[in-house]
Amino acid sequence: GNSVTQMEGPVTLSEEAFLTINCTYTATGYPSLFWYVQYPGEGLQLLLKATKADDKGSNKGFEATYRKETTSFHLEKGSVQVSDSAVYFCALEHSGGYNKLIFGAGTRLAVHP
Amino acid sequence: KAGVTQTPRYLIKTRGQQVTLSCSPISGHRSVSWYQQTPGQGLQFLFEYFSETQRNKGNFPGRFSGRQFSNSRSEMNVSTLELGDSALYLCASSGDFPYQETQYFGPGTRLLVL
Repeated sequence: GNSVTQMEGPVTLSEEAFLTINCTYTATGYPSLFWYVQYPGEGLQLLLKATKADDKGSNKGFEATYRKETTSFHLEKGSVQVSDSAVYFCALEHSGGYNKLIFGAGTRLAVHP
Repeated sequence: KAGVTQTPRYLIKTRGQQVTLSCSPISGHRSVSWYQQTPGQGLQFLFEYFSETQRNKGNFPGRFSGRQFSNSRSEMNVSTLELGDSALYLCASSGDFPYQETQYFGPGTRLLVL
């Protein structure tokens, strides 16, 4: 079946460090891929998405490229800020899946000044 | 546009009771999905409604049910509550296409079952 695997956290970084959160997926066909972020006590916010192979999603300095050959969608940011501290979820939606998102376990990021 | 709203935000119930949660989607959105978030199981899909019809359902027992009204507002109901139903319940809405539209999430309803 379809699944998403994320690197385990927590990830602890100093401000201005480079961030990578790994995400790989298993799916048939051509799913859409998403990164969502959850701040403490809040719901999920869409961070970025990509709907086909080689697409790059980007937002607020975060980027992720849809790599079909490696079934990956790794999240990167060149210089993290304390305000980026949150839990990050990678997700996929299978085409024809009627809005059913399948999420990874989430990766907690803590950024220290 | 106003975002997805969920009511109530917090709820405390006891085992055996039932509960109804409400979700109002973004104006113009006709699809509403529900998810359960727990520390142990993570984020799991409950069901999805589009134009008052349930199109997709996750692997939850029949105690979990939902419905959607003609104005696209949705409710989910959990009957005979169990301790394990304690969770954050999130709803998300999306546009008219039946798939691969971006889903926008509400703030969630945190349910505690004692």
